[in-house]
Amino acid sequence: GQQLNQSPQSMFIQEGEDVSMNCTSSSIFNTWLWYKQDPGEGPVLLIALYKAGELTSNGRLTAQFGITRKDSFLNISASIPSDVGIYFCAGQAEETGANNLFFGTGTRLTVIP
Amino acid sequence: DAGVIQSPRHEVTEMGQEVTLRCKPISGHDYLFWYRQTMMRGLELLIYFNNNVPIDDSGMPEDRFSAKMPNASFSTLKIQPSEPRDSAVYFCASTHLLRPEQFFGPGTRLTVL
Repeated sequence: GQQLNQSPQSMFIQEGEDVSMNCTSSSIFNTWLWYKQDPGEGPVLLIALYKAGELTSNGRLTAQFGITRKDSFLNISASIPSDVGIYFCAGQAEETGANNLFFGTGTRLTVIP
Repeated sequence: DAGVIQSPRHEVTEMGQEVTLRCKPISGHDYLFWYRQTMMRGLELLIYFNNNVPIDDSGMPEDRFSAKMPNASFSTLKIQPSEPRDSAVYFCASTHLLRPEQFFGPGTRLTVL
């Protein structure tokens, strides 16, 4: 099956610091999505990317669709305590299409005030 | 607008009992997905429906699991008989045709004793 490698697995940062995380796949993706999951809740969509090279921002969040179409990056600037949670990448593989999404294993972010 | 609605939010049951999880997708969405989330395996796709028809149930772990979608606004995931290893958070998600972005419900946390 499709493999999505997400790193790092966890991060502990000071409030105000910037955060970077990434996701790589073993095959070409048509779409990359980034979700955030708060404790006890479902994943919430943060950013969607639809074409190679695309750079999209949502407030302090910026994500990029890698040129090779096999990776994506998410950056969070000037982190705040409410950024705490688990961030998941997800993608729609070219070979499977349809509406199937493959999910990364998540990056658990802890922000120290 | 109401998002994806799931019930119950928490379920505690004893091994061998039947469990039924419920989901109401976002109105107008024609794809519905059931996922299971555990620490060990992350988010796993169990089954998904298009226009109330099951399309891919290859993720359903075994015959004890079954899912139905009798109409466009309601789906159930049933486990009979339940086992302790079924303990997990079960999510329902929905989306439009040709849209990769899935919108998740708040999940049902299932504990089988």
